[in-house]
Amino acid sequence: KAGVTQTPRYLIKTRGQQVTLSCSPISGHRSVSWYQQTPGQGLQFLFEYFSETQRNKGNFPGRFSGRQFSNSRSEMNVSTLELGDSALYLCASSRSSGLAGILGEQFFGPGTRLTVL
Amino acid sequence: KQEVTQIPAALSVPEGENLVLNCSFTDSAIYNLQWFRQDPGKGLTSLLLIQSSQREQTSGRLNASLDKSSGRSTLYIAASQPGDSATYLCAVRRGETSGSRLTFGEGTQLTVNP
Repeated sequence: KAGVTQTPRYLIKTRGQQVTLSCSPISGHRSVSWYQQTPGQGLQFLFEYFSETQRNKGNFPGRFSGRQFSNSRSEMNVSTLELGDSALYLCASSRSSGLAGILGEQFFGPGTRLTVL
Repeated sequence: KQEVTQIPAALSVPEGENLVLNCSFTDSAIYNLQWFRQDPGKGLTSLLLIQSSQREQTSGRLNASLDKSSGRSTLYIAASQPGDSATYLCAVRRGETSGSRLTFGEGTQLTVNP
């Protein structure tokens, strides 16, 4: 069974540009979460999607957005990139049950390393 | 606001030693706790998941315990090997349904010397 996949694995952008990252969850997993990891702040929660709806959002500016498609694949977008956006962006998926989406163990992808110059 | 602390921040041990990593959290109202391992520049690998109703979980040489009332969890690694060298992270989830995030500690960087 394939794990969580993320594309691209590495990105280099310049300030002011925008970027889109993609995440494909484990087959059958309907919940997808995004995290930002930096040496100074550690792992910070960005947002979570379940059944194409954003269920929770972390404390990040509106430049960070995301969406989830009907096949549970998710994308996140960062507009007007800043130097401080350089980080490892991790996607995670969980099996969920029921309409409320009771969550199980969370599995992470390999991440996308974003460098902003 | 939930805060998760991991002690020590770094640990270096000789091969074969048994060791304990600690994780504490400020809000005991959790749904589950998960231990992860992260190799440099890589994603997180799930090691063990403990539900709030459980006291411990075991997988191979790993044993994780949970004392929810005191806000503590420990990860015990038996007979450590150089391949165990990595950063170990614990994370807690407050609620059981979607919309409930994982809150991570800063991690313990483990080095096992041959």
